[in-house]
Amino acid sequence: AQSVTQLDSHVSVSEGTPVLLRCNYSSSYSPSLFWYVQHPNKGLQLLLKYTSAATLVKGINGFEAEFKKSETSFHLTKPSAHMSDAAEYFCVVSGQAAGNKLTFGGGTRVLVKP
Amino acid sequence: DADVTQTPRNRITKTGKRIMLECSQTKGHDRMYWYRQDPGLGLRLIYYSFDVKDINKGEISDGYSVSRQAQAKFSLSLESAIPNQTALYFCATSDSHPGLAFFGQGTRLTVV
Repeated sequence: AQSVTQLDSHVSVSEGTPVLLRCNYSSSYSPSLFWYVQHPNKGLQLLLKYTSAATLVKGINGFEAEFKKSETSFHLTKPSAHMSDAAEYFCVVSGQAAGNKLTFGGGTRVLVKP
Repeated sequence: DADVTQTPRNRITKTGKRIMLECSQTKGHDRMYWYRQDPGLGLRLIYYSFDVKDINKGEISDGYSVSRQAQAKFSLSLESAIPNQTALYFCATSDSHPGLAFFGQGTRLTVV
């Protein structure tokens, strides 16, 4: 069975400082991994995806994530937080063993302080 | 106009009532999905459809049913609503892999 654990339910950062959102996954086979963002009263938007190509993946809005198989992690980072980054972020895993169905983490809510 | 439109956006209903949530998309995608979101649990798949004639149960389909009226329309019904179905419901579409999905803005359903 596949699973995702987002290690922090809430993260608070100051504007202009780095953001780190931690995600660990479990999957039987080589997984596909995604990060989605959900702004208040909005649907989810795909930030970036890893599908067995380069392990460092760049996404929209300056975010990037690194796939580390040995650590079963897919942490999301951004060098400098902006007020507009305040949102909830979901790490998602998908694997062929599960018919490519998605398993979502519980989410990390990011607060950006001015 | 949004690529994926859900109606209604908010709904309060009573226990035992039947309710339908509607989703329409302009992406031209064959694949459509219904998820529910509960705090701390992320999103969980209720039903999905790969085309008009193909409908499949997800991980939490009990108490729900769906109808794929056309490529662009996929509705979710609660036959007899109960309070633990209070949640935020999302419709999504994808062209291929379900991870490359476009989501609607959600329907907040409260069952009292």
